[in-house]
Amino acid sequence: EPEVTQTPSHQVTQMGQEVILRCVPISNHLYFYWYRQILGQKVEFLVSFYNNEISEKSEIFDDQFSVERPDGSNFTLKIRSTKLEDSAMYFCASRSTNEKLFFGSGTQLSVL
Amino acid sequence: QKEVEQNSGPLSVPEGAIASLNCTYSDRGSQSFFWYRQYSGKSPELIMFIYSNGDKEDGRFTAQLNKASQYVSLLIRDSQPSDSATYLCAVNPQKLVFGTGTRLLVSP
Repeated sequence: EPEVTQTPSHQVTQMGQEVILRCVPISNHLYFYWYRQILGQKVEFLVSFYNNEISEKSEIFDDQFSVERPDGSNFTLKIRSTKLEDSAMYFCASRSTNEKLFFGSGTQLSVL
Repeated sequence: QKEVEQNSGPLSVPEGAIASLNCTYSDRGSQSFFWYRQYSGKSPELIMFIYSNGDKEDGRFTAQLNKASQYVSLLIRDSQPSDSATYLCAVNPQKLVFGTGTRLLVSP
């Protein structure tokens, strides 16, 4: 069964460093998303991406964040100058033209 | 007002009982409603979706939607210990907005 894959599963970084989280969405999907979940809190929308551009972003997704689809398969989230409060589980998700959203297994980001 | 509200629980039910999970939403324009299950440390997994008022059944799961009351629920029949997880209600596929989730505990 097709699935969304994310790498790495865990990422540890020092405060102020840049990280890139990687995702390979399901191959025929057209809409891509990043969500995050701080430990013990709800799943929060960060950004949606369609047709090679951002379609919507939340207040959380400030200038520190960027997304890119550098080729036909990868979808990346870059976090510049990481802060302690960026520590969270980051989920990539994708969907086709129907409305069902499928999530990857997540990247646990720890900022020290 | 929160966009999607759920009781955080935990909701405790004995094995074999019916678990009833509830959710309210604030945006009257919402058209699509989803229930996800999330095990601790894992990603959300889609278990049910509903678009029209009324009930939708899939195996042991029934989703119920009442747009006039802005209310959506999930019933789990014959609850099993493996159903113990956090159940997330979500609305609007363009930008899926999640509730905080209800933790369900099914005791053997």
